Amino acid sequence: DTAVSQTPKYLVTQMGNDKSIKCEQNLGHDTMYWYKQDSKKFLKIMFSYNNKELIINETVPNRFSPKSPDKAHLNLHINSLELGDSAVYFCASSQVTSGTDTQYFGPGTRLTVL
Amino acid sequence: GNSVTQMEGPVTLSEEAFLTINCTYTATGYPSLFWYVQYPGEGLQLLLKATKADDKGSNKGFEATYRKETTSFHLEKGSVQVSDSAVYFCALFSGTYKYIFGTGTRLKVLA
Repeated sequence: DTAVSQTPKYLVTQMGNDKSIKCEQNLGHDTMYWYKQDSKKFLKIMFSYNNKELIINETVPNRFSPKSPDKAHLNLHINSLELGDSAVYFCASSQVTSGTDTQYFGPGTRLTVL
Repeated sequence: GNSVTQMEGPVTLSEEAFLTINCTYTATGYPSLFWYVQYPGEGLQLLLKATKADDKGSNKGFEATYRKETTSFHLEKGSVQVSDSAVYFCALFSGTYKYIFGTGTRLKVLA
């Protein structure tokens, strides 16, 4: 069973379009995250949700809107896509409150904006 | 604020060579420290961790010791293999729902 899954794995789209990336975790974790990884492999946190509540929003343009319908899901919607949004987006989860603070990452979604 | 600094890559080694990837951190309190590995085309996965000073994390022949006096968590392996070629990330977590990752170090091991 995949612990953290993301769909789609690849996403190619035109500038100005709106797209969504879905993330699901079956680990029973309370906290979920979205990261952006650029072409130089630099990993930047975008959002963190704990029990469906937004905890961290790291100066991300408001074109990016996360949504957490329940603890197991954290989706990322992006409006008016720009060339600079091209990157690999990773979802992750952890159980911070238990002291087991290891993050588990999904396989990533490679977004290419043309 | 908290930060992680790791050596820039790429690091290129011959098979069976000794590996060290340096990582130092700045943090208040007593963070947990991690090394994550990212193989080509995959997400990050935990390699090892340490949660308090002088702890040694180890996995798959890799080791790192939590050194509070030098605020370091250097990754070492005695004999690397081609299959160890990946990007390695040092990270810390201080309990505020935010992990701080280093910039990553690409390792290439040649046969």
